[in-house]
This record gives sequence, structure tokens and C-alpha cells, in this order.
Amino acid sequence: EIVLTQSPGTLSLSPGERATLSCRASQSVSSSYLAWYQQKPGQAPRLLIYGASSRATGIPDRFSGSGSGTDFTLTISRLEPEDFAVYYCQQYGSPWTTFGGGTKVEIK
Amino acid sequence: QLQLQESGPGLVKPSETLSLTCTVSGGSISSSSYYWGWIRQPPGKGLEWIGSIYYSGSTYYNPSLKSRVTISVDTSKNQFSLKLSSVTAADTAVYYCARSLIGYCSSTSCYAGYFDYWGQGTLVTVSS
Repeated sequence: EIVLTQSPGTLSLSPGERATLSCRASQSVSSSYLAWYQQKPGQAPRLLIYGASSRATGIPDRFSGSGSGTDFTLTISRLEPEDFAVYYCQQYGSPWTTFGGGTKVEIK
Repeated sequence: QLQLQESGPGLVKPSETLSLTCTVSGGSISSSSYYWGWIRQPPGKGLEWIGSIYYSGSTYYNPSLKSRVTISVDTSKNQFSLKLSSVTAADTAVYYCARSLIGYCSSTSCYAGYFDYWGQGTLVTVSS
């Protein structure tokens, strides 16, 4: 099983600031099969990024993903009020997909 | 627009079997391009993949839950279902159904990828 560790646990930032979220895998993720999701309270997760760097349909370009192997990053270039939420990474490069523990982006 | 909707009891007694159904509308569950899966989220915690099924009925499960999980598909009703046996309070969670693209492929099989459409989720509480 590939274990995903997300850091930091909580990120306190102001609107307009840049957010950098990390997802580290316990072993290399095949073919950069890494996705990112946003989840707001009481809602289902929403797909943001797949294949480590491809934005899902309708996702603003302030969201970008990068990385390969064991280290991946989600960057939000300028935080909008609606971006304050919890973010999860998911690897699907092995038969048993796993999720990271999440990073909460909160308003400072 | 594809929609998924979970349904089933919101309260299950300890040691009994949790049963949920996901109804898919706006698209066919019989597409060869997708897996259909269940994911759960205990209150205040992160996401845990439970298992996935292909329209043909091929399934695979999270090893930590495999002994208690059964996922099935009914293509005539455009539905797939989850059964989780011998539940305890630790199984209390919001249960989501979701569609995934095909991801990793070995020499013999392919597996679920990322989840692009999700149901709204249903809270199942295990309590006597």
C-alpha cells in the first residue's frame, strides 16, 4: 500500500496569497497517477487535478499541480474566498488507491 | 450531466450489515471506460476507498475491509451497491459513491483511477 503524507496539516493564509500544499508518497507513484481534490464542509470532494498536473474540467487556472515520483505539489496562485477548504491528494498508480490525510487551508 | 445518488438506511445496529445503493443518472453504468466505487469518510476525518466495480461485475476491494465488503452491479437499473457486514461504531461515516476513470493497468488487469463524479454522500451511523 502506498501511504500519502500531506503537509502542512493546516495552512493559514489571507485572500490573495499563494498556497503551496505538499503530498509525499511512501514509494514512487507510477506514471504520475496523482490527483487532488477540494472539499468544503458538507460537500463531496471535487476533482481539481489528475495526472499530477492536468486540470479537471472547469477548474480555474489559479490551481496547478506539479511533481513526480514521490513528491507532489498543489499550488493555488492567489487565494480566492471560495478556495478556503480541505484538500486531499490521491494516488491511483497501484491496484489499491489511497488518499492523503488532507490539508486545511483556512483564513488567517 | 452525470449524477450519482446514494440511498439506504442511515442507522445500522452493531454486528449487522450496512447496505447502500448508488443510482446513476445521465449516463450509462455499462460504459467500458469507467469503474464505479465507494469511498467513506468518518466524521471529521479523511477519505478511505472501500472498493470498486466494473460494469462486467469485476470487483476489487481495500485489503483492510475485504473480508467484510461486497460490491455488486445491476446494469438494468443503472445501479451499484455496497454491503458491509459485521459493522461496528468504527464504520460510522459518510459514504460516497463515485465514478472513476481507468487508472493503473498491470499485465493482466486494470484498476480504478481518479474519481471525477461523486454522489452527495449519505451518513450512516452504527449504533444500537
